[in-house]
Amino acid sequence: DQQVKQNSPSLSVQEGRISILNCDYTNSMFDYFLWYKKYPAEGPTFLISISSIKDKNEDGRFTVFLNKSAKHLSLHIVPSQPGDSAVYFCAARSLGRDDKIIFGKGTRLHILP
Amino acid sequence: SAVISQKPSRDICQRGTSLTIQCQVDSQVTMMFWYRQQPGQSLTLIATANQGSEATYESGFVIDKFPISRPNLTFSTLTVSNMSPEDSSIYLCSVAVRYRSYEQYFGPGTRLTVT
Repeated sequence: DQQVKQNSPSLSVQEGRISILNCDYTNSMFDYFLWYKKYPAEGPTFLISISSIKDKNEDGRFTVFLNKSAKHLSLHIVPSQPGDSAVYFCAARSLGRDDKIIFGKGTRLHILP
Repeated sequence: SAVISQKPSRDICQRGTSLTIQCQVDSQVTMMFWYRQQPGQSLTLIATANQGSEATYESGFVIDKFPISRPNLTFSTLTVSNMSPEDSSIYLCSVAVRYRSYEQYFGPGTRLTVT
């Protein structure tokens, strides 16, 4: 039972254009949603988060949108740069005994020159 | 933020043997986590290792297979015991600040191949 789903395994975007990565979830009890970025042979790095009480959070070129009624969030990267080529994991925090984070399978983003 | 190192970075092990993975953090942290990422899959939480208490294992993971030590606030080990090819994965440790536990910092991972 996948509680956090990233249905696109990969995405290719032209440099300078907007990259949009999508994520769906099933658990209404998640209180924070997160995006992590991972380069090969490195651990994931925290990118941006959004509280479940908000619908948008912006940090420089990165904006995360949350649509609670649709149980959907997206990460927008504008403009896309070559260094953005990486695997992006959508994740959500489930409040409980140990505040567990549940990850999606990731989307590999290729920025084309 | 925190800087996390893991040893070894990769290993190839024989079926039936055990491997201990070390995780070292450059600052004292309360919350430490161990994850597994199997090929093509998401990161799956194995256990939470908080200093001063026994590790808390997620469904599908047991202490006999994945014993964890957390002797202090900067160090932890995960042992993968009696390995089989199905244990071939990347194993990652991460840490978090309690009031921002969603913002975790990950080590580079240990790539384990069991033959």
